[in-house]
Amino acid sequence: AQKVTQAQTEISVVEKEDVTLDCVYETRDTTYYLFWYKQPPSGELVFLIRRNSFDEQNEISGRYSWNFQKSTSSFNFTITASQVVDSAVYFCAPSPGGGADGLTFGKGTHLIIQP
Amino acid sequence: NAGVTQTPKFQVLKTGQSMTLQCAQDMNHEYMSWYRQDPGMGLRLIHYSVGAGITDQGEVPNGYNVSRSTTEDFPLRLLSAAPSQTSVYFCASSYSQGGYNSPLHFGNGTRLTVT
Repeated sequence: AQKVTQAQTEISVVEKEDVTLDCVYETRDTTYYLFWYKQPPSGELVFLIRRNSFDEQNEISGRYSWNFQKSTSSFNFTITASQVVDSAVYFCAPSPGGGADGLTFGKGTHLIIQP
Repeated sequence: NAGVTQTPKFQVLKTGQSMTLQCAQDMNHEYMSWYRQDPGMGLRLIHYSVGAGITDQGEVPNGYNVSRSTTEDFPLRLLSAAPSQTSVYFCASSYSQGGYNSPLHFGNGTRLTVT
């Protein structure tokens, strides 16, 4: 059975600090996709990034970076120089088995950026 | 381009009442799905569809019915509402099944309260 864990329920940092959100995905599948979604206080769900299980290169997009390590089943997300607008709930969501079963969402990490 | 449209935005039901949550997308996506979001639980898959005329159960299907008569529409029916169905419901679609090759596009959600 697959299991996705976001161990950090809530993180609070001061603006401009760097922050890393952790996600661990345990699965026997060798092929899968991993997604991160953001849910700001307004409630909508915003797609941030998709990575596949064969690609362990770190990816950087502006202030966001993602680190995927298949050996430890971790798919972490780092925000550098955080801003108040980054305050949101962040969900890690694997697509198990590459099939039609849909995404399995983690329980989310509530990120609070204090001014 | 409206994306994924959910109606209504808010709904209050009494126990035992029935209703249909509407979801429509204009992106010609084959895959559509319904999730519910409860505090501390992340998003859980209720039902999904990989194309018109095809539906299947997700993680928490009990108490809900779906149908997919057209590519555009994927309504969610509550036959006899229960307080346990108080939640925020999200409809989502993607180009290919299960978000495997493309990210999910979410509607803005329907907040349902059952008293």
